[in-house]
Amino acid sequence: DTGVSQNPRHKITKRGQNVTFRCDPISEHNRLYWYRQTLGQGPEFLTYFQNEAQLEKSRLLSDRFSAERPKGSFSTLEIQRTEQGDSAMYLCASTQSGTRFSYNEQFFGPGTRLTVL
Amino acid sequence: ELKVEQNPLFLSMQEGKNYTIYCNYSTTSDRLYWYRQDPGKSLESLFVLLSNGAVKQEGRLMASLDTKARLSTLHITAAVHDLSATYFCAVLFTGNQFYFGTGTSLTVIP
Repeated sequence: DTGVSQNPRHKITKRGQNVTFRCDPISEHNRLYWYRQTLGQGPEFLTYFQNEAQLEKSRLLSDRFSAERPKGSFSTLEIQRTEQGDSAMYLCASTQSGTRFSYNEQFFGPGTRLTVL
Repeated sequence: ELKVEQNPLFLSMQEGKNYTIYCNYSTTSDRLYWYRQDPGKSLESLFVLLSNGAVKQEGRLMASLDTKARLSTLHITAAVHDLSATYFCAVLFTGNQFYFGTGTSLTVIP
């Protein structure tokens, strides 16, 4: 068990470009969350997957954002036509739900820091 | 409206002192989580509190949950410099969304 990993760790892009981030959850975890965190704030929920199904999306998630989790393993988060306001840390977390002992405890990846110039 | 509020937002304390961080939330929930975040790093899970009256302790940190008051506390005993970090509480409301507080930035001064 290597924990949750995210790539890239840092991304600098110009306004208007598209970016894609990847998250690899803990292998036996069936639930995967994406969050956005800006300086001095707590993580804000963006979306989550139960296996390959995207079950909830935040109202914060504009139509420029799309996420996938093909085959219920890794997930990608794509931001199209980036704006300076998209600059933030994007965090991924995974958890095992649906068992007696899962408690929905989330394990976070190291994050991808996005800077939009 | 679903809200999670922490106070204080900033806390500077001397080594060896005790203090408590408070986490209030707006709507019924019986699951509350505490995380630690070091600067530039991700979040590390500290405690999972699952029911009213739950108390968990690890080292100099102790967390408790009062679901009737919609309040959780994180108590720090005899603070040491290594505890300097930002601490977040998060609440799992109906559905499966976690709502995080704004965090408490703790600085322990020698």
